[in-house]
Amino acid sequence: QVQLQQSGPGLVKPSQTLSLTCAISGDSVSSNSATWNWIRQSPSRGLEWLGRTYYRSKWFNDYAGSVKSRITINPDTSKNQFSLQLNSVTPEDTAVYYCARAPRIQAAGTEFDYWGQGTLVTVSS
Amino acid sequence: QSVLTQPPSVSGAPGQRVTISCTGSSSNIGAGYNVHWYQQLPGTAPKLLIYGNNNRPSGVPDRFSASKSGTSASLAITGLQAEDEADYYCQSYDGSLSGVFGGGTKLTVL
Repeated sequence: QVQLQQSGPGLVKPSQTLSLTCAISGDSVSSNSATWNWIRQSPSRGLEWLGRTYYRSKWFNDYAGSVKSRITINPDTSKNQFSLQLNSVTPEDTAVYYCARAPRIQAAGTEFDYWGQGTLVTVSS
Repeated sequence: QSVLTQPPSVSGAPGQRVTISCTGSSSNIGAGYNVHWYQQLPGTAPKLLIYGNNNRPSGVPDRFSASKSGTSASLAITGLQAEDEADYYCQSYDGSLSGVFGGGTKLTVL
């Protein structure tokens, strides 16, 4: 059974960096089939996919256009986890952030089958 | 504004059948990408309900089913139960390979 455990601060000041970590159990961040994703949810933007990291002989990252200039997702193989960094945050980045696993990459698109518990991040001074 | 369009709310009495629609476009559902459905109870993360248009993960009751046609998809729930009261979301992909979601539908069991 795959479990994803999120950690990180719930309050970030405007213009600073949002940082969250997602610890994986029951699978490996270096899996050759799964991808590891960050998704956020807010009343104004709904559910929004932010990006992913995955390993296929080397590491790859894909990011949503809406955050591409501000986001970094990094794997940490020593701790079997992955992280999200979102720079230059504004109050519009206030949301519940989720990490999630997609079990495979396929041309027809794939689902998110395991989710972290969610972290409410508020951007406020 | 979500990429996929869902009705904000639906309702039904216990035992009844309800459907939730999900309308996309030629760049997502209509392009042949799979549609997936999630159930979200208050204060919890979304839970995968249907994957690959019409497949149920282990443990999901067969009261839940889904279909896809053209640029739309729909989720059906039969034998409605009080525990089904939740928010439901559809998800697909678009031409940029990012996951796109519907705005969610709140199901009320009367």
